[in-house]
Amino acid sequence: YELTQPPSVSVSPGQTARITCSGNTLAKQYGYWYQQKSGQAPVLIISKDTERPSGIPGRFSGSSAGTTVTLTISGVQAEDEADYYCQSADTNDHMIFGGGTKLTVL
Amino acid sequence: QVHLVQSGSELRKPGTSVKISCKASGYPFSAHSINWVRQAPGRGLEWMGWITTNTWRPTYAQGFTGRFVFSLDTSDSTAYLHIDNLRAEDTAVYFCVRYCSDGTCSGFDHWGQGTLVTVSS
Repeated sequence: YELTQPPSVSVSPGQTARITCSGNTLAKQYGYWYQQKSGQAPVLIISKDTERPSGIPGRFSGSSAGTTVTLTISGVQAEDEADYYCQSADTNDHMIFGGGTKLTVL
Repeated sequence: QVHLVQSGSELRKPGTSVKISCKASGYPFSAHSINWVRQAPGRGLEWMGWITTNTWRPTYAQGFTGRFVFSLDTSDSTAYLHIDNLRAEDTAVYFCVRYCSDGTCSGFDHWGQGTLVTVSS
């Protein structure tokens, strides 16, 4: 099983960024999203496709359709510049990460 | 408050071994598994496997069998990653991560700060 993300996404401040993650396992398993800023540990920002953990700003949202999950960042801020990883599980409860997407705020 | 605190950076020569610790606090240690994730320099996240903290059962991802061993000291709420016969390509940051799936939480919800292992002669 693999999860495919675009290597990079660029947006201007205030615009909406969308990062997709595709993989067959997503048809049956939840998708999760993590934000990793330079030199830091990743942070869970979306769980179970659409749920936002406590403390995560409301501009982050997730959606799911078929074999694709999408992370949407509305009103992007400079501080959102980071690497974003999707994650799911295969049928054997082995975890999988996508290759990561570098979000650049222009 | 949940914390996972890892041991400090390590420099090792090829062929030697290293043991990284991950001390958990702020929750019942046996309630959630501990996973290990590797991140090579400039690369993405790679799941190495996990160990159940109630049954002590390890599961290793493909590519992390043989030289990698997960262990626990439940009396001290600490997980360990041992890597044997180190190679240059093991140079990476290693993260311990709590995986929560009990209904009150979900996913890799708490991460250690990471331990840099550098393998160089």
